[in-house]
Amino acid sequence: DAKTTQPPSMDCAEGRAANLPCNHSTISGNEYVYWYRQIHSQGPQYIIHGLKNNETNEMASLIITEDRKSSTLILPHATLRDTAVYYCIVRVAGYNAGNMLTFGGGTRLMVKP
Amino acid sequence: DVKVTQSSRYLVKRTGEKVFLECVQDMDHENMFWYRQDPGLGLRLIYFSYDVKMKEKGDIPEGYSVSREKKERFSLILESASTNQTSMYLCASSPWTSGAARGNEQYFGPGTRLTVT
Repeated sequence: DAKTTQPPSMDCAEGRAANLPCNHSTISGNEYVYWYRQIHSQGPQYIIHGLKNNETNEMASLIITEDRKSSTLILPHATLRDTAVYYCIVRVAGYNAGNMLTFGGGTRLMVKP
Repeated sequence: DVKVTQSSRYLVKRTGEKVFLECVQDMDHENMFWYRQDPGLGLRLIYFSYDVKMKEKGDIPEGYSVSREKKERFSLILESASTNQTSMYLCASSPWTSGAARGNEQYFGPGTRLTVT
């Protein structure tokens, strides 16, 4: 799996967009970018994934650069409940029940009133 | 929405006890996983199952066993609990897909914080 680099922490004002960057310069052509988050004392939560096109769902948007070496997760209107650690993971697609999710350090996002 | 439930949020057991952790998912997912999460060590895979009665060892299976008698239920068993098994235990499920990205969409339960004294 490609290595990812994320800033250890970020602050965001409530109601503003939170933009969380991730570098994955060694990503290979068949690897997807996944984002998860973990709110304190809860299990991780899947957010979104993408290959090369920008993706949007009810939770967030994912912007992947054209060279695919970095991506940004966007929470368009952050709320206090979005305070969590956000993990960017790069994984090969395809069936593999042994897909262990390896979370790196992640970015601790603090949404402030 | 996918829902993964775990039998207990907090559990305290004594050394040597047999411990059962239950996990149930309601989305008809084929794959189920048991992880433990410890500070500084991230998520570590204990066992996973890709079908009823099928199981595969993850990275740290020692001291654990699993059971999957029904598709929706995946149980983790600590045969003889020890203090180094004090941890947060997380169950997850994901759909079976072939050649697609959804296999990496894992849906987690709330976790069970187990303390072994």
